[in-house]
Amino acid sequence: QKEVEQDPGPLSVPEGAIVSLNCTYSNSAFQYFMWYRQYSRKGPELLMYTYSSGNKEDGRFTAQVDKSSKYISLFIRDSQPSDSATYLCALAGSGNTGKLIFGQGTTLQVKP
Amino acid sequence: GAGVSQSPSNKVTEKGKDVELRCDPISGHTALYWYRQSLGQGLEFLIYFQGNSAPDKSGLPSDRFSAERTGGSVSTLTIQRTQQEDSAVYLCASSGSFLAGGTDTQYFGPGTRLTVL
Repeated sequence: QKEVEQDPGPLSVPEGAIVSLNCTYSNSAFQYFMWYRQYSRKGPELLMYTYSSGNKEDGRFTAQVDKSSKYISLFIRDSQPSDSATYLCALAGSGNTGKLIFGQGTTLQVKP
Repeated sequence: GAGVSQSPSNKVTEKGKDVELRCDPISGHTALYWYRQSLGQGLEFLIYFQGNSAPDKSGLPSDRFSAERTGGSVSTLTIQRTQQEDSAVYLCASSGSFLAGGTDTQYFGPGTRLTVL
């Protein structure tokens, strides 16, 4: 079993839809939770970073962490065609390195 | 300032040849990471540098893989006797610092796409 599970999709939605992306994890040692966005043939870029359980909002994006359920989510409101990309969840523990454990990534297509 | 850069952007090689992949981190960033992204897979951690030291090499898949960092800056990932299963995108990331018990934002380069024929 992988440490982080993420449905690879693809997920196709119409413009303006609310998108929900999710990851589950098995190791309670993870303390830091991130969402990266990766456009085709580009490196990932950080979208959201949270430390504790609860919600964090940034514009159209909301990251949600439920440590008790080991479940994290990213919500995108009013989705735009420019949001079409692969979204990767990434988790880090409190050990002596900052290495990130990534989910497989979910490919999202927002159709005009 | 400039972001993380990697070279070459694409590399096609024959099975059994050695390849070197280069990463130039953001100036002043002390932490450097290599990851590998295979088709349809998420990013897989390979190695972490703090300065010129590599305290975590746990992700290197075999002894054919090695990496070094010099001057606390440029890093080279070397794959010897390449195999077809080494075909992937190799991504480098750097961050300003890592504090024990914490983490820091990692900035990724565009990657090197390696194809082993």
